[in-house]
Amino acid sequence: AQKITQTQPGMFVQEKEAVTLDCTYDTSDQSYGLFWYKQPSSGEMIFLIYQGSYDEQNATEGRYSLNFQKARKSANLVISASQLGDSAMYFCAMRELNAGGTSYGKLTFGQGTILTVHP
Amino acid sequence: EAGVTQFPSHSVIEKGQTVTLRCDPISGHDNLYWYRRVMGKEIKFLLHFVKESKQDESGMPNNRFLAERTGGTYSTLKVQPAELEDSGVYFCASSPYGDEQFFGPGTRLTVL
Repeated sequence: AQKITQTQPGMFVQEKEAVTLDCTYDTSDQSYGLFWYKQPSSGEMIFLIYQGSYDEQNATEGRYSLNFQKARKSANLVISASQLGDSAMYFCAMRELNAGGTSYGKLTFGQGTILTVHP
Repeated sequence: EAGVTQFPSHSVIEKGQTVTLRCDPISGHDNLYWYRRVMGKEIKFLLHFVKESKQDESGMPNNRFLAERTGGTYSTLKVQPAELEDSGVYFCASSPYGDEQFFGPGTRLTVL
């Protein structure tokens, strides 16, 4: 079974500094996708960044980058130049293939990390 | 383009009552997923529709939960009868091809 582990229940960072949120995963699939979502206090889930298992380059989206280390099975999120609006819960997730292997199915989520940005 | 919408945003019911949650996916998205997060725990998958068919319902906790997707459009998730442990936030997500999933704002269910 697939498993996602986020070992940091809470993280603090000073505004304008960079922060790394940890995520490790376990899977026997060769093809998978890794996602990061942000959940602010308002509750909605906001997609941030995606990394495919065969992608050779680390994914980047603006201030977000994903430090993908396949051999170590880690997919850490790096947020550069933190802003007060980055304060939120962050979830790492993995996408599985469905039982038939024909289409992508459910996401498996980690426990989440609460990020607090201090002014 | 409208995003995924869920109704109601909050629901408070007594144990033993019935509640029906609704999800309207992004128009044209064949894939629809239900997830829930109970207090302090990770978000867990419930089931996956492709159009009107249930592709994977391995995450449904028990037969008190019934999900339908009429005509491959909106979906409902009924809990009957509700128990205390059903309290949590229920998320719906949709996807055109099963890749990136777009989430709705969630329904916060409280069972008293």
